[in-house]
Amino acid sequence: GPKVLQIPSHQIIDMGQMVTLNCDPVSNHLYFYWYKQILGQQMEFLVNFYNGKVMEKSKLFKDQFSVERPDGSYFTLKIQPTALEDSAVYFCASSLGVGNYAEQFFGPGTRLTVL
Amino acid sequence: GDSVTQTEGQVALSEEDFLTIHCNYSASGYPALFWYVQYPGEGPQFLFRASRDKEKGSSRGFEATYNKEATSFHLQKASVQESDSAVYYCALTGTGSNRLTFGKGTKFSLIP
Repeated sequence: GPKVLQIPSHQIIDMGQMVTLNCDPVSNHLYFYWYKQILGQQMEFLVNFYNGKVMEKSKLFKDQFSVERPDGSYFTLKIQPTALEDSAVYFCASSLGVGNYAEQFFGPGTRLTVL
Repeated sequence: GDSVTQTEGQVALSEEDFLTIHCNYSASGYPALFWYVQYPGEGPQFLFRASRDKEKGSSRGFEATYNKEATSFHLQKASVQESDSAVYYCALTGTGSNRLTFGKGTKFSLIP
């Protein structure tokens, strides 16, 4: 089936540094998402993105977070500066359509550790 | 805000047993309800969805029925196999939103 890829699979950085998480969505998909899962807790929505714009974001999507997809390349989540509480697994997802029937396809996640 | 509650954190059964994982939700309006399955090292995979009261979703032998009165969407499978071992997530999207709200997940494993 369609695959979403995430690069890197693991990232370890020092608090205060910048990090960029990369997502290669399903090729014909138009809607992109980031979710965050802290170890032992449930997965939580961060943001969704369409046509170059943030469509919806949660309160977890702090000012230090930004997303973009320049020229149809990777869909990225940038955190600058990072904080200890940003340590989590970040899942990217994409969907062809929108609305509450659209199936979201998830990548395998990037495990971010902030020291 | 919207929320999803999965009663069981872990379930262990013998092969060919009947599996039930309970899911209740709280949301305004008419949410769409989903089940996702996650295998080790992978992201969640869509299993199936239901979008209206009494609708049954099903896939790979799993099924769940949208029950608006009980605000439930319980996952069932008649005869479990080793390959069903995974984490199962119940989720919803609220009216007019694309964000998935997930439950905490239920880890299912087979008793050897």
